[in-house]
Amino acid sequence: AQSVTQLDSHVSVSEGTPVLLRCNYSSSYSPSLFWYVQHPNKGLQLLLKYTSAATLVKGINGFEAEFKKSETSFHLTKPSAHMSDAAEYFCVVSADTGGFKTIFGAGTRLFVKA
Amino acid sequence: KAGVTQTPRYLIKTRGQQVTLSCSPISGHRSVSWYQQTPGQGLQFLFEYFSETQRNKGNFPGRFSGRQFSNSRSEMNVSTLELGDSALYLCASSLVPSGGSDTQYFGPGTRLTVL
Repeated sequence: AQSVTQLDSHVSVSEGTPVLLRCNYSSSYSPSLFWYVQHPNKGLQLLLKYTSAATLVKGINGFEAEFKKSETSFHLTKPSAHMSDAAEYFCVVSADTGGFKTIFGAGTRLFVKA
Repeated sequence: KAGVTQTPRYLIKTRGQQVTLSCSPISGHRSVSWYQQTPGQGLQFLFEYFSETQRNKGNFPGRFSGRQFSNSRSEMNVSTLELGDSALYLCASSLVPSGGSDTQYFGPGTRLTVL
């Protein structure tokens, strides 16, 4: 079975300060992990993905995430928030389980204060 | 390369009617997945098609159906619309079926409002 938990439904940061969006996953398989971002009234855009290569993954717009198998976590970080980062972020786990294979987290809404 | 396109972008229907939404995947992509997004339930998987065959189906009633054509374009149909069907319907395409490391690329969605 697979599951993904985004630990915060809302995160608020000031512009220029670090961003941390937390994601824990559970999978009996070797999963791939993704972070997507969704701006209002838009589709989802891939930020980055982990596919069993380097555990530290760099994505677009200065975001990165670290896969920690021992902690079953895949937290998303950015050193310095920008106003344009305000959006909803989804953590996704995907694996070949023989059944439904892709699970989305509930999402974390990021607010960026000026 | 053109992205995933969805038509129409906005739709207003009344209860009891039916609706058909269309999705054109990225050229060369053979897998199309559909998702329903609502404020209360978040993103929920509807179904996935690969090479014209339904591979996976989520926990939705039979009023929700889909199909995929030989050119990989996909349609989803909702019959006997209910107020609770109001949502953003997202389509995603990928080269191969979901479940591995392949990336899903999302369209902008169709906003369905049921009155």
